[in-house]
Amino acid sequence: GAVVSQHPSWVICKSGTSVKIECRSLDFQATTMFWYRQFPKQSLMLMATSNEGSKATYEQGVEKDKFLINHASLTLSTLTVTSAHPEDSSFYICSARLPGFIDEQFFGPGTRLTVL
Amino acid sequence: TQLLEQSPQFLSIQEGENLTVYCNSSSVFSSLQWYRQEPGEGPVLLVTVVTGGEVKKLKRLTFQFGDARKDSSLHITAAQPGDTGLYLCAGGLYKLSFGAGTTVTVRA
Repeated sequence: GAVVSQHPSWVICKSGTSVKIECRSLDFQATTMFWYRQFPKQSLMLMATSNEGSKATYEQGVEKDKFLINHASLTLSTLTVTSAHPEDSSFYICSARLPGFIDEQFFGPGTRLTVL
Repeated sequence: TQLLEQSPQFLSIQEGENLTVYCNSSSVFSSLQWYRQEPGEGPVLLVTVVTGGEVKKLKRLTFQFGDARKDSSLHITAAQPGDTGLYLCAGGLYKLSFGAGTTVTVRA
C-alpha cells in the first residue's frame, strides 16, 4: 500500500515552454501532497504544500506564479513549471501524506526536468 | 522550522563492514522517519520511530530513537553493495524537515 506515482518520469523541453508534472496517490486518498526539488547529491527542498480544494502554500523564495500547483482531487496534484528556463532543470519529487496518527509521507519516483 | 543534522555526510565502506548514520536535533520530534534514495528515484520509507528509546529492526538495519526523541541512528550490519544509497532522516508535524543526507557506498 501507500503507492505514489509521478508522470512523466523525465521530460526535456525548450526554454520558454511550460511543463506539467502529475502526482497521483494510487491506493489511498491524500488531502495533502508536497512538492520537492532536489539538486544533485543534495537533500530534498520543500517547494510547496498542495491541499485538495484550496490554494497551495509555498515556501519562502518559491515563485508561486512560476510553479503552479493544482490539487484537483484527493488522488491527484499537478505541478506546472511555467516559462521554464535552464535554471529550472532539476529533479522534482512529490509526496503524499498518509492520514493517520503518525505523519508519514510516501514519495513518487521523481521527474527529471531538463530545460534546453 | 525544526532542523535535523545528519552525520557523516559521506561513508564508503567495504562489503561486510558495519556502519552507523546519526541524525540529531535540538528539537523534540513526535516521530522520525528514515528513507533510502537511489539515484534517479524517489525516497523509499524504511521505518518510522515514534516512542523515545524505541529500537526497530529491519533485517540487517537497526533504527534507534533517542530517549528524549531528539536524535536517531541507523546501524547497518554486514553491509552489502545493495545498501548503497542516500539515507535521509526526516521528521516534523505535517511538513517534514529533512537532514542533509548521508551518501553510503558499499564496495564489493
